[in-house]
Amino acid sequence: AQKVTQAQTEISVVEKEDVTLDCVYETRDTTYYLFWYKQPPSGELVFLIRRNSFDEQNEISGRYSWNFQKSTSSFNFTITASQVVDSAVYFCALSEASGNNRLAFGKGNQVVVIP
Amino acid sequence: EAQVTQNPRYLITVTGKKLTVTCSQNMNHEYMSWYRQDPGLGLRQIYYSMNVEVTDKGDVPEGYKVSRKEKRNFPLILESPSPNQTSLYFCASSFQRGWDTQYFGPGTRLTVL
Repeated sequence: AQKVTQAQTEISVVEKEDVTLDCVYETRDTTYYLFWYKQPPSGELVFLIRRNSFDEQNEISGRYSWNFQKSTSSFNFTITASQVVDSAVYFCALSEASGNNRLAFGKGNQVVVIP
Repeated sequence: EAQVTQNPRYLITVTGKKLTVTCSQNMNHEYMSWYRQDPGLGLRQIYYSMNVEVTDKGDVPEGYKVSRKEKRNFPLILESPSPNQTSLYFCASSFQRGWDTQYFGPGTRLTVL
């Protein structure tokens, strides 16, 4: 069964520092999809990125970047030059191609950016 | 605007009083799911649906029912709510299974006294 581990529960950083969120996953499928979602204090879930298991290319989107490494089953997320608006809970999730459309979520990383 | 809507957004009820949380999407998505979010546990899937009249259990289905009579709607039914169902509930939809991004509704915060 698929599993996602986000080991750090709460991370505090001072504004403008970089912060990296670790995500380690387990799956027996060779085809799977990885996601990151952001949950701001208002509570909604905001989609950030999707990656499939055949695409190990890293991605950068503004201050956000993602490092996907199949060899270590990791899909880490870095926020560069953090801002107060980045304060949120960030979830890593995995979906298997053979599954029931279930997203297996990690427990989330609470990021607190201190001004 | 493409969206997933849920109602109500907040609900306080008492043990045993049947309730329904509605979910509707306007994107013509085939797949819909319900998740619950609890502190320290992340989100867990309750039920999912692959199309009209096709539903199946997720990881934590006990105490819940669903139906999918129309493609756009996927209500979550708690026949006899209990305090351990106090949670934040999200409905999600996607066009395809697996690879497609699931879009989430705004959430329903339920408290069962």
